Amino acid sequence: AQTVTQSQPEMSVQEAETVTLSCTYDTSESDYYLFWYKQPPSRQMILVIRQEAYKQQNATENRFSVNFQKAAKSFSLKISDSQLGDAAMYFCAYKDRDDKIIFGKGTRLHILP
Amino acid sequence: SQTIHQWPATLVQPVGSPLSLECTVEGTSNPNLYWYRQAAGRGLQLLFYSVGIGQISSEVPQNLSASRPQDRQFILSSKKLLLSDSGFYLCAWNRGSNTGELFFGEGSRLTVL
Repeated sequence: AQTVTQSQPEMSVQEAETVTLSCTYDTSESDYYLFWYKQPPSRQMILVIRQEAYKQQNATENRFSVNFQKAAKSFSLKISDSQLGDAAMYFCAYKDRDDKIIFGKGTRLHILP
Repeated sequence: SQTIHQWPATLVQPVGSPLSLECTVEGTSNPNLYWYRQAAGRGLQLLFYSVGIGQISSEVPQNLSASRPQDRQFILSSKKLLLSDSGFYLCAWNRGSNTGELFFGEGSRLTVL
């Protein structure tokens, strides 16, 4: 069975600095999708970034980028120029070919002013 | 535009009582539908997902069940609630395309006493 592991329950970063959130996953499939979602205090889940496994190029969305290492089954999220509004719970997620989508336990990110 | 609604938003139920949480999607057809539970320290746990009417995959059978009586309606039920069923329940949908992006409802907070 597929699994998603986020080993950092909480992290803190100074405003304007860069932080990297870790995610590893386990699968025997070669075709899948990976996601990072953000859950602010409002609890509304927001898609941050998406990566297709067949694409070698790392996805980027403004200040958010990923480091996708397929062989290592690693999918980390880098947030540059951290802002107070980035404070949230971040979830890594995996989607298989059958549209099953599973999440990690999350990393709570604190932004220090 | 597409919208998703789930209700009730808050529910307090005694142990052993039944449960029914409802989720409805508007503005699309044949969506994939998902039920997740968010409990402290456990991240987002996939409970059920459905890629079509009559097709429901169970990830955590236990004492919960799901039904899809209509194309855009997904119901989470229990005949007898346990204390461990307390949590924040999220319904979500996606188009079933390769993008896989999930769109979440507002959530339902269930407290079992």
